[in-house]
Amino acid sequence: EPEVTQTPSHQVTQMGQEVILRCVPISNHLYFYWYRQILGQKVEFLVSFYNNEISEKSEIFDDQFSVERPDGSNFTLKIRSTKLEDSAMYFCASRRDRSNEQYFGPGTRLTVT
Amino acid sequence: AQSVTQLGSHVSVSEGALVLLRCNYSSSVPPYLFWYVQYPNQGLQLLLKYTTGATLVKGINGFEAEFKKSETSFHLTKPSAHMSDAAEYFCAVSEPAGGSYIPTFGRGTSLIVHP
Repeated sequence: EPEVTQTPSHQVTQMGQEVILRCVPISNHLYFYWYRQILGQKVEFLVSFYNNEISEKSEIFDDQFSVERPDGSNFTLKIRSTKLEDSAMYFCASRRDRSNEQYFGPGTRLTVT
Repeated sequence: AQSVTQLGSHVSVSEGALVLLRCNYSSSVPPYLFWYVQYPNQGLQLLLKYTTGATLVKGINGFEAEFKKSETSFHLTKPSAHMSDAAEYFCAVSEPAGGSYIPTFGRGTSLIVHP
């Protein structure tokens, strides 16, 4: 069964460094998403991406964040200058169209020291 | 704006006992409601969803949930817990009628199953 994959599974970085989290959505899906979950808190929506542009973003998704689909398969989340409070689990999700269910990846645990 | 409250961050049951995980939502338009499960080191997997129609929804692994508009609830149940049901469960709501297909998640409930 097709699945969403994410790399790396765990990333440790120092405050102020840039990180890129990678996702490979399911191949025939058109909508892509990033969510994050700070330990012990809710899963929070960050951004959605469709037709090579951001379609929706939350107030969390500020200028330090960016997303890109550099080729036909990868979908990346870049955090430009990481802060301690960016430590969280980051989930990628995709779906074929807006009314279908989202399929989630296993997540990347980001630890900022 | 939509929101979800999951009562109880941890629920502990014995194997074979009834599982009840509570979810209450707030929505200004008819909602779509979801339950997701997350096993250790895995992504969120959809258990079941309510969109329209029958209010009792059956999902995978023997789980079901009932949409009760009057109580703004969407509680998840399973008649008999298995050890393999131990996981984190998330309730979510979206508002397609209001133009938003992005789900808002609850904080999650950790289900612990004792032998």
